[in-house]
Amino acid sequence: GAGVSQSPRYKVAKRGQDVALRCDPISGHVSLFWYQQALGQGPEFLTYFQNEAQLDKSGLPSDRFFAERPEGSVSTLKIQRTQQEDSAVYLCASSSYKEGTEAFFGQGTRLTVV
Amino acid sequence: AQRVTQPEKLLSVFKGAPVELKCNYSYSGSPELFWYVQYSRQRLQLLLRHISRESIKGFTADLNKGETSFHLKKPFAQEEDSAMYYCALSGQGAQKLVFGQGTRLTINP
Repeated sequence: GAGVSQSPRYKVAKRGQDVALRCDPISGHVSLFWYQQALGQGPEFLTYFQNEAQLDKSGLPSDRFFAERPEGSVSTLKIQRTQQEDSAVYLCASSSYKEGTEAFFGQGTRLTVV
Repeated sequence: AQRVTQPEKLLSVFKGAPVELKCNYSYSGSPELFWYVQYSRQRLQLLLRHISRESIKGFTADLNKGETSFHLKKPFAQEEDSAMYYCALSGQGAQKLVFGQGTRLTINP
């Protein structure tokens, strides 16, 4: 595809539901990142993959958050037992493996927990 | 700790006037600094990065290690510059980005 694709674009979940957010990175991009952006804030790092290996998950706010990238391409961010404070835009970004290279962002998934 | 501070949440200037969006950072080492921009209804995209030392859409940013700043400047603002601007850094050996809170720039006609 032409860029990073995320689905769904919008998700409304009832408190306590599980959700799964999908990211299709740019073909051939080794690095994949997930960020969380609360209203009025800048994006905050959640987790980082290099191919299928999750090298950094220091930003995941709780053990309800889980991310995977089993074949080194598509990634899924799963949130279990959603809570209101999980409401945010979830951004996925991909880049080639090189320090200082540009990260290409998807449009994001806006999650609203009611 | 890595931190990026953008002191202005909102900035409004008239078309043709100079623009400066402030960014200060804290990092114990040599970071890579970036400016990302998000135009209305578009995705976040890279505007410029300090290592390339280039001017994009008339914008420049100079890394001042003494003042730990990376302010974004443009001598003559245009209406199409209205957008959300985020300053970000990545640490040595890392690719993850630490973002500031963002500054919403509005250019008035």
